[in-house]
Amino acid sequence: EIVMTQSPATLSVSPGEAVTLSCRASQSVSTTLAWYQQRPGQAPRLLIYGASTRATGIPDRFSGSGSGTEFTLTVSSLQSEDFALYYCQQYKDWPQGTFGQGTQLEIK
Amino acid sequence: QVQLQESGSGLVKPSETLSLRCTVSGGSVSSSSYYWGWIRQPPGKGLEWIGNINYSGNTYYNSSLKNRVTISVDTSKNQFSLMLRSVTAADVGIYYCARYNILTGPIDYWGRGTPVTVSS
Repeated sequence: EIVMTQSPATLSVSPGEAVTLSCRASQSVSTTLAWYQQRPGQAPRLLIYGASTRATGIPDRFSGSGSGTEFTLTVSSLQSEDFALYYCQQYKDWPQGTFGQGTQLEIK
Repeated sequence: QVQLQESGSGLVKPSETLSLRCTVSGGSVSSSSYYWGWIRQPPGKGLEWIGNINYSGNTYYNSSLKNRVTISVDTSKNQFSLMLRSVTAADVGIYYCARYNILTGPIDYWGRGTPVTVSS
């Protein structure tokens, strides 16, 4: 099983700042990597797939990069609605896929 | 707008069967472009894939649950379902249904999730 590790577990940032979240795979997943955002009480929402392609309707302040085993999600200027829980998921072994433990983005 | 809504028994007795349904609106479970699946999240833990089904009934299950899980699709009701037999305390958590996009790969829509408790 491919293990996904996200860091850090919690990130405290001020609105308007930029932030980068990290995700590491235990073996290469090429670019079969997705990022999801989950706000309290809401369903997770797809942000990025293919490591760097924004999903439909996602603002361009969200960007993803990486390949192989190292990936990042960057939010260029944090808005109040961006403070949420973020998961990465590899889907190289589709339709299974494994998820990271999540990074909680909180207001500083 | 595609929406997925979980429903079913939120409280299950140990050794009994958990039964959940996912109702899809704004899209069809009969589409060949998607798979439909279940994911769960135990308290304080990460997301765990349970299994998937496609429009023709082909299923894929997590090997750790394979002997206890059945996923089925009802095209007439535009729903798909999860049955998990012989539940224990380890099956407690939030259960999500989801749509997998065959073309792009990842889950493109999720339900809000439904809590499941195992207790006598």
